[in-house]
Amino acid sequence: AQRVTQPEKLLSVFKGAPVELKCNYSYSGSPELFWYVQYSRQRLQLLLRHISRESIKGFTADLNKGETSFHLKKPFAQEEDSAMYYCALSGQGAQKLVFGQGTRLTINP
Amino acid sequence: DVKVTQSSRYLVKRTGEKVFLECVQDMDHENMFWYRQDPGLGLRLIYFSYDVKMKEKGDIPEGYSVSREKKERFSLILESASTNQTSMYLCASSPHSLGEKLFFGSGTQLSVL
Repeated sequence: AQRVTQPEKLLSVFKGAPVELKCNYSYSGSPELFWYVQYSRQRLQLLLRHISRESIKGFTADLNKGETSFHLKKPFAQEEDSAMYYCALSGQGAQKLVFGQGTRLTINP
Repeated sequence: DVKVTQSSRYLVKRTGEKVFLECVQDMDHENMFWYRQDPGLGLRLIYFSYDVKMKEKGDIPEGYSVSREKKERFSLILESASTNQTSMYLCASSPHSLGEKLFFGSGTQLSVL
């Protein structure tokens, strides 16, 4: 079974501080992992995916298969990063995406 | 840019009513999905479809059904609405491979009274 856990419902940091949103997964095969973001009054949209190994809006995420984690990090938070963040997993050959519970990130000025 | 359109932004229905939520995408995507979004529970998959007339149950299909008669349209049906189906409903689509991203609609906030 595929499972995604985001242990923090709420996370609040000050502008300029580092940010780390935690994501742990459970899957016996080789997963594909994603971070989605929903800004206020906007649609849910893809932020980044692990296979691309890209940095989007200063965010990065590394897949750690040993710890079954895919934490999202940014060295210096900005106020516009305030949003709802969801980690998601797709199993090999699967055609569906399983989402975590979400973390609401608030960046304080 | 891909457009996924949900027909209603807000809906208010009474317990026992039959409810239709409509979703249309304009990019010829094979896969379409219905999720519900609840605080603290995240997004939970109700049903998905990978082809016309094909449907698969997600994690919480009870009380729901779906219809996909045309490739671009995926409908979610609540046969007899109940108060515990009050939620935000999100439709999404993706190309054939899920390595590609999901494109979401703006959501329908359904209230069942």
